[in-house]
Amino acid sequence: DGGITQSPKYLFRKEGQNVTLSCEQNLNHDAMYWYRQDPGQGLRLIYYSQIVNDFQKGDIAEGYSVSREKKESFPLTVTSAQKNPTAFYLCASSIDLYRSGWTEAFFGQGTRLTVV
Amino acid sequence: SQELEQSPQSLIVQEGKNLTINCTSSKTLYGLYWYKQKYGEGLIFLMMLQKGGEEKSHEKITAKLDEKKQQSSLHITASQPSHAGIYLCGAETGNTPLVFGKGTRLSVIA
Repeated sequence: DGGITQSPKYLFRKEGQNVTLSCEQNLNHDAMYWYRQDPGQGLRLIYYSQIVNDFQKGDIAEGYSVSREKKESFPLTVTSAQKNPTAFYLCASSIDLYRSGWTEAFFGQGTRLTVV
Repeated sequence: SQELEQSPQSLIVQEGKNLTINCTSSKTLYGLYWYKQKYGEGLIFLMMLQKGGEEKSHEKITAKLDEKKQQSSLHITASQPSHAGIYLCGAETGNTPLVFGKGTRLSVIA
């Protein structure tokens, strides 16, 4: 079955460490996205990618990095520069970035990152 | 940048009651999406509205788009425990990813 998979579901990180969240999709979608969710804050866009080897910053990109070396994969690295990394991270993919794409958008099950 | 304001922030209703959640945009709405999220999980697409006055229904959930008011409403009839969760609206902004509201947390009590 086609879908989008995030791993791990729970992640603990010590302060000062970088950590990478995985996001894989087998839907043949061109566009992929990372959102951060905090209680009462809704979803805020971190990074997005419309095509392999290209990505753009979202509203809260500071302290994060991404890569898009393969169409299926869009890993997110939370660096030590991110001051408040504890949050719920959601990955999504869609056929494309534009209007036609979002009706077919899929969201992963999320990764809950906790800094200890 | 476009902002979406959802109201109320949280809602507790008795099973069987009707309820409405609103989503108001700071700019013209070209496409409005409703998603549902169970706590700690991903988003499930409910429906999308594109045209002013458009209304869509799925089971006991109905959504409307009022283009003039730049607002969408989500109405649940005869609420059930399975309706509990967080409801998020998302808006198209042109050539950038969806912008989301802060969500409305719905609890349904027996």
